[in-house]
Amino acid sequence: QVQLQESGPGLVKPSETLSLTCTVSGGSISSYYWSWIRQPPGKGLEWIGYIYYSGSTNYNPSLKSRVTISVDTSKNQFSLKLSSVTAADTAVYYCARLRITMVRGVIITVFDYWGQGTLVTVSS
Amino acid sequence: QSVLTQPPSVSAAPGQKVTISCSGSSSNIGNNYVSWYQQLPGTAPKLLIYENNKRPSGIPDRFSGSKSGTSATLGITGLQTGDEADYYCGTWDSSLSASVVFGGGTKLTVL
Repeated sequence: QVQLQESGPGLVKPSETLSLTCTVSGGSISSYYWSWIRQPPGKGLEWIGYIYYSGSTNYNPSLKSRVTISVDTSKNQFSLKLSSVTAADTAVYYCARLRITMVRGVIITVFDYWGQGTLVTVSS
Repeated sequence: QSVLTQPPSVSAAPGQKVTISCSGSSSNIGNNYVSWYQQLPGTAPKLLIYENNKRPSGIPDRFSGSKSGTSATLGITGLQTGDEADYYCGTWDSSLSASVVFGGGTKLTVL
């Protein structure tokens, strides 16, 4: 059974960089896409971006200028960096495995495994 | 403002049936597959339906999904108090943004 676990600071100061790591266990990080999703308190889900195990990435256009997602296959981990944070970046951050396939030009996206989430608060 | 539109809340009595809609456009739901996620209070979302109408192993057949045009629907029959949760639809948006998009979420209350 694949399991994901987020780790990183729970408190980040405004204008600094938020850094989180997701450790994958019970399976290899290879041959899959891996994603970050966040949820501000009391609000809905927002997709941040994803990375393929080979290193190719795709980011939410609204966050693209501040986001970097990287992968370390030797550690079965992938990471998120979000720069210049403000209070609006306060959220529970989830990592998830993303299956992406294309069938006759139609794209299928499925988040099939999720981490438990970690709350990151942006405050001085 | 979410790309996909869901009703903020729905409610029904135990044992009854409820449907949750998810409305989009030709660039997302109209030309791609939809997934649904259940988020119980205080927990991470869980995959409920994928490829419009398929259930992962372990998901009871009380949960069903369908898609027509640019809208998708999640159906839940035989409602139980344990079904009280937030439900989110998600899909790929093939517009210039080329990204994953979610609905704003629907809170289900089992009266």
